[in-house]
Parts: sequence; C-alpha cells; structure tokens
Amino acid sequence: QKEVEQDPGPLSVPEGAIVSLNCTYSNSAFQYFMWYRQYSRKGPELLMYTYSSGNKEDGRFTAQVDKSSKYISLFIRDSQPSDSATYLCAMNNYGQNFVFGPGTRLSVLP
Amino acid sequence: GAGVSQSPRYKVAKRGQDVALRCDPISGHVSLFWYQQALGQGPEFLTYFQNEAQLDKSGLPSDRFFAERPEGSVSTLKIQRTQQEDSAVYLCASSLAARGQVYRETQYFGPGTRLLVL
Repeated sequence: QKEVEQDPGPLSVPEGAIVSLNCTYSNSAFQYFMWYRQYSRKGPELLMYTYSSGNKEDGRFTAQVDKSSKYISLFIRDSQPSDSATYLCAMNNYGQNFVFGPGTRLSVLP
Repeated sequence: GAGVSQSPRYKVAKRGQDVALRCDPISGHVSLFWYQQALGQGPEFLTYFQNEAQLDKSGLPSDRFFAERPEGSVSTLKIQRTQQEDSAVYLCASSLAARGQVYRETQYFGPGTRLLVL
C-alpha cells in the first residue's frame, strides 16, 4: 500500500461544475498538506498549502484536511476548461521530504 | 524573475549511455531537490542539496545516479549506464530557505527533462 493514495481518474466534468479531488494517506505524522496542479509537459505548480486540520479557501479553490480520517480534499468551484490538468496532493512533516500522490487527471469540458 | 529552468527538455539515450541533466534554480534559493516522475505517477524524491552540500540522497535508486551542485547554484543529475527503467521525467525544484528552517516550505518546480532510454 502506498503512503499516499489518490484516484487517478480521468475525471471529466462539464464547465461550471464543482469538482472534488481527494487523497488518503497512512502516515499520521504528516502535518503539512499541499495541492499542486500540473499541466501536460510542465512542472507542478503550488495551488494550496494547509497546515494541520481545517479548511482554507483561495478564490475558486478550497482545501480541506481531516487528520483524524487521514483524508484531504480540494474543491474547485465554477470549473473552467483551463482547470484541465493533473492535480497532485503532497504532504510532509516539518523538515521532511515531500510525499506526493499519483495525481488525478481532470478534464473540464466546455 | 526567471523560474527554475532545466535542460535538455527531452533526451533520448541508448541503453548503456551516460546522460547529464541540468537544473538552474531560482537565483538565491538555498535548497534544491531532484525528483523522478514515472508516467502516471507523482514525483518521487531523489536527492536534496542545501547550497553545495548534498544532505540527503536517500531516494537515489542506485549507484548509477549521481548529483552535484558544486557552487551552490546550478545542479547536474548524472545517470550512468542508463537502463530502460530509468525512462521518466526528471524534475528539479528549488526553495528559498533551507530544509527545516521554516515551517512553510514552498518548492518551485522546473518543467522537467523527459528521458527516454531505448
């Protein structure tokens, strides 16, 4: 079993839909949780950064962390075709290496 | 300012050849990381530099992999006697602070080098 699991998709939604992306993890020591977006043939770019449990909102994006369930989510409201990309969750403990999920491929259809 | 750049963007090698992949981090960034990303997978950590010191090489898959950052800026990842299983995208990332110096660590990624070993 991998340390971080993520549904690989692909996930296809119509433009304007609310998208829910999720990761589960096994290491209870993780405290810092990130979501990266990766367009085809590009490097990952940081979208959201959350410390410990709770919610964080930034524009159309909301990140949720539930440490008791070892479950994190990213919600995208009013999805756009430009949101079509692979979404990677990543997590670590202070000063430790990042561990990435395998990514979920999202397609937002116009 | 410029982001992280990597060269070459694509590399095709015959099995057994040596390859060298270059990373130019963001100027002034102390930390530099190399990752390997297989098709359909997330990046996997290879090695970490703080300035010119290689502090963590726990992710390097074999002794055929070697990385250096001699002057604390540009880094090179070298793979000797390439094998087909080395085919992947090699990502470089840099971060302003040293690992463990700040609570929020933001890594900036380059576009990657896509290596195909035939």
